[in-house]
Amino acid sequence: KNQVEQSPQSLIILEGKNCTLQCNYTVSPFSNLRWYKQDTGRGPVSLTIMTFSENTKSNGRYTATLDADTKQSSLHITASQLSDSASYICVVSGSSTGTASKLTFGTGTRLQVTL
Amino acid sequence: DSGVTQTPKHLITATGQRVTLRCSPRSGDLSVYWYQQSLDQGLQFLIQYYNGEERAKGNILERFSAQQFPDLHSELNLSSLELGDSALYFCASSVTPRGGVYNEQFFGPGTRLTVL
Repeated sequence: KNQVEQSPQSLIILEGKNCTLQCNYTVSPFSNLRWYKQDTGRGPVSLTIMTFSENTKSNGRYTATLDADTKQSSLHITASQLSDSASYICVVSGSSTGTASKLTFGTGTRLQVTL
Repeated sequence: DSGVTQTPKHLITATGQRVTLRCSPRSGDLSVYWYQQSLDQGLQFLIQYYNGEERAKGNILERFSAQQFPDLHSELNLSSLELGDSALYFCASSVTPRGGVYNEQFFGPGTRLTVL
């Protein structure tokens, strides 16, 4: 069964600190992995999309890594800001030619950045 | 702003009722997806349409149905509502129906449905 597991479930950090969110998946075959940021009550917004050949991809203060061999990904947030408070969702696509039903969503990590 | 619009933003109704949620995709996007997100739960894929035709079905209940119209907007119909149907319902759109890396899904702001 295709699964995406994220850890930790929730995280509280001080503004200015760094943090790393984890995503482990068992989706096969693998096409790509996406990280989304979802503010409370809002729709998810894409941060990065990575294929199996990409190890690292950055988007500003967000850096995603992917290890396709161990089926693990991480999202590193540098110098956190209050606006980073949100849920971060890992989504794995199981086919490059398939349809949406091939997407497997993690339940997300809820990040709270405090003063 | 993703370019995907959803109406209404909030909806409060009673058990047993029927409601319709509406979604307009981004300009140029032909594929529309519907998702349900219950409290503290992950996104659950419901159904996908491409250019008016159903392309994929997820965990959609028989009480739920959807369609995509010639102008590409989509409606999600929820009937015989139960308390457990209370959730955020998101619509997303993409250019093509495929899951490839270049076919990103853009999400709307969601409709919050409360069933009392």
